[in-house]
Amino acid sequence: QVQMVESGGGVVQPGGSLRLSCVTSGFSFSSYGMVWVRLSPGKGLDWVALIRFDGSHQYYADSVEGRFTISRDNSRNTLYLQLDSLRAEDTAVYYCARQYWLGELKALDYWGRGTQVTVSS
Amino acid sequence: EIVLTQSPGTLSLSPGERVTLSCRTSQSVSSNSLVWYQQRPGQAPRLLIYGASSRASGIPDRFSGSGSGTDFTLTISRLEPEDLAVYYCQHYGGAPPYTFGQGTKLEIK
Repeated sequence: QVQMVESGGGVVQPGGSLRLSCVTSGFSFSSYGMVWVRLSPGKGLDWVALIRFDGSHQYYADSVEGRFTISRDNSRNTLYLQLDSLRAEDTAVYYCARQYWLGELKALDYWGRGTQVTVSS
Repeated sequence: EIVLTQSPGTLSLSPGERVTLSCRTSQSVSSNSLVWYQQRPGQAPRLLIYGASSRASGIPDRFSGSGSGTDFTLTISRLEPEDLAVYYCQHYGGAPPYTFGQGTKLEIK
């Protein structure tokens, strides 16, 4: 069955960096676009970044553009998110999710359980 | 960027009742691009509905989606205790970013 497990979260000071990983199994990772979504305390879901199945294109929310970098290693079935210049407002649970795509239909059909990132001095 | 506005913010209903959640988009969108998710407390989000009205695999048939243009609805025909959750709509069409609505919190009386 499809599994996705995030890791790499933790407590970091403002301006610091973290690298999140999402190890996947149970599906052909190299055939799917992958996404990071976060859930901040007291707020709703926030779309963060998307990478195409082959890693050829990356897209970011305005709030993280220039600070976060999404990447993937299809040989390791692993998705990454490099978080730099972190701010207090980046505090959230970060989820990786698989992008389902059939014609004009798209959705996030499988999600990991998330990893907590806390930015605090 | 398309803005999604969900209403109400919070809803408190009893088991067995019918639930109607609203998602309005700031401009007309294709029905193919409207998606609904459920997030139970302490759990990851779960895909409920894609293409505005297609149920995802394993989703009970008491969940249904409808709508077009700028107005979309998620309906739960008979509320169950396990439906306690926050429900989000998402516009998943055109170019990124693929924004979410702010969510509707569903409480069970």
